[in-house]
Amino acid sequence: DAKTTQPNSMESNEEEPVHLPCNHSTISGTDYIHWYRQLPSQGPEYVIHGLTSNVNNRMASLAIAEDRKSSTLILHRATLRDAAVYYCILRDAINNAGNMLTFGGGTRLMVKP
Amino acid sequence: GAVVSQHPSWVICKSGTSVKIECRSLDFQATTMFWYRQFPKQSLMLMATSNEGSKATYEQGVEKDKFLINHASLTLSTLTVTSAHPEDSSFYICSARWQGAANSPLHFGNGTRLTVT
Repeated sequence: DAKTTQPNSMESNEEEPVHLPCNHSTISGTDYIHWYRQLPSQGPEYVIHGLTSNVNNRMASLAIAEDRKSSTLILHRATLRDAAVYYCILRDAINNAGNMLTFGGGTRLMVKP
Repeated sequence: GAVVSQHPSWVICKSGTSVKIECRSLDFQATTMFWYRQFPKQSLMLMATSNEGSKATYEQGVEKDKFLINHASLTLSTLTVTSAHPEDSSFYICSARWQGAANSPLHFGNGTRLTVT
């Protein structure tokens, strides 16, 4: 799977929007962009994924650049419970046998009250 | 939503003993389950891919005779850490994929923290 680059950490104030960036300049045409987050001492949980178009769900929004070489996860109103490590992962739905996820370093989001 | 249950959530064992960790998909069938390991302050590392009814596929550097994986049914996979040593102390996490769409999200258990004394 192609590699992603994320900032090691970010800070946000509670109830403010948060934009978490991810660069994936070597993305291939069959790579989906997945975001997962891991709260302290828990397993990761799925947040959102997309291919080309922007996506919205109850947890977040995913904005994908037109050339697909970068994307941004948007939390519209950060809460203290959103403090976690956020992983941006490319997942080839066609050629990835078994469809496992390969985790990079992620971004540790800290939310200040 | 899809739930993956992992048991136990934590375990302490003595060096040389074996520990079994269970991973169950509670409300869906999972032909494929994945086992990850996470050391403190590090990211998740894939250990092996577990396929129902067949042998697991191990990542490079993971000893298959030490980390025994059994995926006997569509809802249960087990990881047994044999002859555990202190360096095996880690956070073990399983995940499962619903056997539907190839791009369906993975669902993760809440992990098992293993401490070997």
